[in-house]
Amino acid sequence: EVQLVQSGAEVKKPGESLKISCKASGFTFTNYWIGWVRQMPGKGLEWMGIIYPGDSDTTYSPSFQGQVTISADKSINTAYLQWSSLKASDTAMYYCARYADTFDYWGQGTLVTVSS
Amino acid sequence: EIVLTQTPLSLPVTPGEPASISCRSSQSLVESDDGDTYLDWYLQKPGQSPQLLIFSLSYRASGVPDRFSGSGSGTDFTLKISRVEAEDVGLYYCMQRKEFPSFTFGQGTKLEIK
Repeated sequence: EVQLVQSGAEVKKPGESLKISCKASGFTFTNYWIGWVRQMPGKGLEWMGIIYPGDSDTTYSPSFQGQVTISADKSINTAYLQWSSLKASDTAMYYCARYADTFDYWGQGTLVTVSS
Repeated sequence: EIVLTQTPLSLPVTPGEPASISCRSSQSLVESDDGDTYLDWYLQKPGQSPQLLIFSLSYRASGVPDRFSGSGSGTDFTLKISRVEAEDVGLYYCMQRKEFPSFTFGQGTKLEIK
């Protein structure tokens, strides 16, 4: 069974760093792209970026380039999304999703709250 | 960057009645190599992660009821629900993958029951 299990909710202060995870199981992690999607409170879906764990090839949305870093550790079938300095505007739900010519499986989401 | 524009943004529907959501693209989503249309539809039910409904314009994902259908061509696309049920409430999004590995979503359409 394909599963993407994301790390738990986070509450952080502005300026802090954060790394959230997406652990994959039930498929060959290195053969599929993993994407990240943001959903701000009450808003729509925004594609952030995508990584191919097989060779770490990564593409970012222009809106998120330089704002976040996407990485993957193929030894533990886990993709990551990280921030070096959070802002209040990073408060959102973040989803990872497997790309197999479409986003066919999604994680349960990680809620990130940034507040002083 | 391809822009997707959905209409309407809010869609109140009486159970048993049909519903239709439009998605217009700023560029053609037809792939010249294979003729495939790289437009998908997702549904995000309240409190849940998005789920795939329709891929490649008109193919229903596994387990999706046949009351859902996708159609269109080039830059104009439509998601239709033949008879809306209470479980269909949520946010519907179109998404283009013509520019893979870059993607864009439409703004979302909120379907609610009257």
